[in-house]
Amino acid sequence: AQKVTQAQTEISVVEKEDVTLDCVYETRDTTYYLFWYKQPPSGELVFLIRRNSFDEQNEISGRYSWNFQKSTSSFNFTITASQVVDSAVYFCALGGGSYIPTFGRGTSLIVHP
Amino acid sequence: SQTIHQWPATLVQPVGSPLSLECTVEGTSNPNLYWYRQAAGRGLQLLFYSVGIGQISSEVPQNLSASRPQDRQFILSSKKLLLSDSGFYLCAWSVLSSGRSLKQFFGPGTRLTVL
Repeated sequence: AQKVTQAQTEISVVEKEDVTLDCVYETRDTTYYLFWYKQPPSGELVFLIRRNSFDEQNEISGRYSWNFQKSTSSFNFTITASQVVDSAVYFCALGGGSYIPTFGRGTSLIVHP
Repeated sequence: SQTIHQWPATLVQPVGSPLSLECTVEGTSNPNLYWYRQAAGRGLQLLFYSVGIGQISSEVPQNLSASRPQDRQFILSSKKLLLSDSGFYLCAWSVLSSGRSLKQFFGPGTRLTVL
């Protein structure tokens, strides 16, 4: 069975601080995909990134970066110099070639001005 | 480009009344379609998914049902709503190609309040 754990329920930071959202996963699949989604207050989930299990290169996109470590089954997400607009719920998800991804429970990020 | 629509955006219904939420996808063919519910606890609960017309898989037994009358249309229904049906309902689609799990695209959601 697949499982995604986002242990941080809520994180509160002040603007310009760096923040890391943790994601730990469990799967028996040898090929799988990891995702991060952002859910702003409007409610719609927005896709941020997909990473396949064969690619452990870290990725950076502007202020966002992702650290994929197969050895620890983690796919952490870091926001550098956080901004108020980053306030949202962030979901980590795992897909393993089936139709159904497994979502974590989400981490609520609050960035204070 | 692909787009996904959901309506209505918000809905307030009395207990015991019927429900029909609609989701349509444009710009793609034969998508996998999903209904999720997000209750106050924020987690996403998969309710139904469909890999083709008339093919519905239920993940959680409840008083809700889903139908897929057309390739790009997914409907969530209930004959009698319960208070516990309140929540934020999200429709999503994805394309599964060569056994690879591709990313999901989510609709804007419907906020349902059952009174």
